[in-house]
Amino acid sequence: DTGVSQDPRHKITKRGQNVTFRCDPISEHNRLYWYRQTLGQGPEFLTYFQNEAQLEKSRLLSDRFSAERPKGSFSTLEIQRTEQGDSAMYLCASSFLVDRALQETQYFGPGTRLLVL
Amino acid sequence: AQKVTQAQTEISVVEKEDVTLDCVYETRDTTYYLFWYKQPPSGELVFLIRRNSFDEQNEISGRYSWNFQKSTSSFNFTITASQVVDSAVYFCALSEAQAGTALIFGKGTTLSVSS
Repeated sequence: DTGVSQDPRHKITKRGQNVTFRCDPISEHNRLYWYRQTLGQGPEFLTYFQNEAQLEKSRLLSDRFSAERPKGSFSTLEIQRTEQGDSAMYLCASSFLVDRALQETQYFGPGTRLLVL
Repeated sequence: AQKVTQAQTEISVVEKEDVTLDCVYETRDTTYYLFWYKQPPSGELVFLIRRNSFDEQNEISGRYSWNFQKSTSSFNFTITASQVVDSAVYFCALSEAQAGTALIFGKGTTLSVSS
């Protein structure tokens, strides 16, 4: 039984470059979330998917950020024209929706640590 | 607006001491969920507990226990007989009742347990 996996675990890039992160959720989990965590802070919600549909994206930090989950399995988060302020840990979580009226438990991956020089 | 406050930034204890991590939340919803997660140095957030607003019964799991009090909007976490492996950052989080809503996290409490 594998947990949520993320790739790469670390990424160093130069300002202005594009980066893409991948998240593989727990098998059969239909919901997938992206969060950002900066030093000394708790995770901050960015967006989430139910299957392949992106149901909330208003919290994405700018139009440089985009996410996809094309087949309802793995997801990618892309940051275009990176800035130094994008340096953070990007966390992915997945969950299994049982009942629309109930909040499910989100299980997190190890994160991708991004450093923008 | 929803908010989670973890007033203790850092706590240091010696092994075998008991330690309580505080969590105070704000929400206007009558139905909500509270969570605790552990983040060891490796970075992965590990789920510890989920509690809904209608269930005020305290819970114990091994050396861990949680005290939920709606009257004071608190959901405190106690580790009994702490161990070095308990050293991590602990986050309290809040969400509304409906599925698919974001978790609102506190800033976390860094627990250091020395031998």
